[in-house]
Amino acid sequence: DGGITQSPKYLFRKEGQNVTLSCEQNLNHDAMYWYRQDPGQGLRLIYYSQIVNDFQKGDIAEGYSVSREKKESFPLTVTSAQKNPTAFYLCASSIFHVRQGNEKLFFGSGTQLSVL
Amino acid sequence: ELKVEQNPLFLSMQEGKNYTIYCNYSTTSDRLYWYRQDPGKSLESLFVLLSNGAVKQEGRLMASLDTKARLSTLHITAAVHDLSATYFCAVDKESDDKIIFGKGTRLHILP
Repeated sequence: DGGITQSPKYLFRKEGQNVTLSCEQNLNHDAMYWYRQDPGQGLRLIYYSQIVNDFQKGDIAEGYSVSREKKESFPLTVTSAQKNPTAFYLCASSIFHVRQGNEKLFFGSGTQLSVL
Repeated sequence: ELKVEQNPLFLSMQEGKNYTIYCNYSTTSDRLYWYRQDPGKSLESLFVLLSNGAVKQEGRLMASLDTKARLSTLHITAAVHDLSATYFCAVDKESDDKIIFGKGTRLHILP
């Protein structure tokens, strides 16, 4: 079955540590996105990528980094510079290279990151 | 900067009643999305609205789009408990493919 896989489901970070969240999709989608969701809040865009080897900052990119070396993969690293990383992180993908009209975001199941 | 505002942010309603959630956005866009999220879960796509006057319906939910007013509505007809969830609208900014979400409307339907 095609879809988006995020791992791990739960992740704990120690102070000063960098951690990486995995996002893999087998939908052959061009665009991939990372969002952060805080309790009772909406989704805020961290980074997005429309094509391999290219990505753009979203609204809250500070303290995060990404790479897009393969079409299928868009890992997110939460660096030690992110002072308040506890949140639910959602990865999404979509076909955007050729806009045909009805594209939508497909979401992974999310990673809950907590600070020890 | 693209802003997306939903209201209300929280709604508690009785089963069988009708209600509407509103989504306003601040700049031109070529598509608007509605998503549903159950507690602790990911987001499920409900509707994609592409043009002015677009209306889509699925069961007790109906979404519409007025691009001139920069407004979308999600109307709930004869609510049932199973519709309790958080509903998000999101807007695709034309120029750079950023998709920005509203804060969500937490809907609680009382049996």
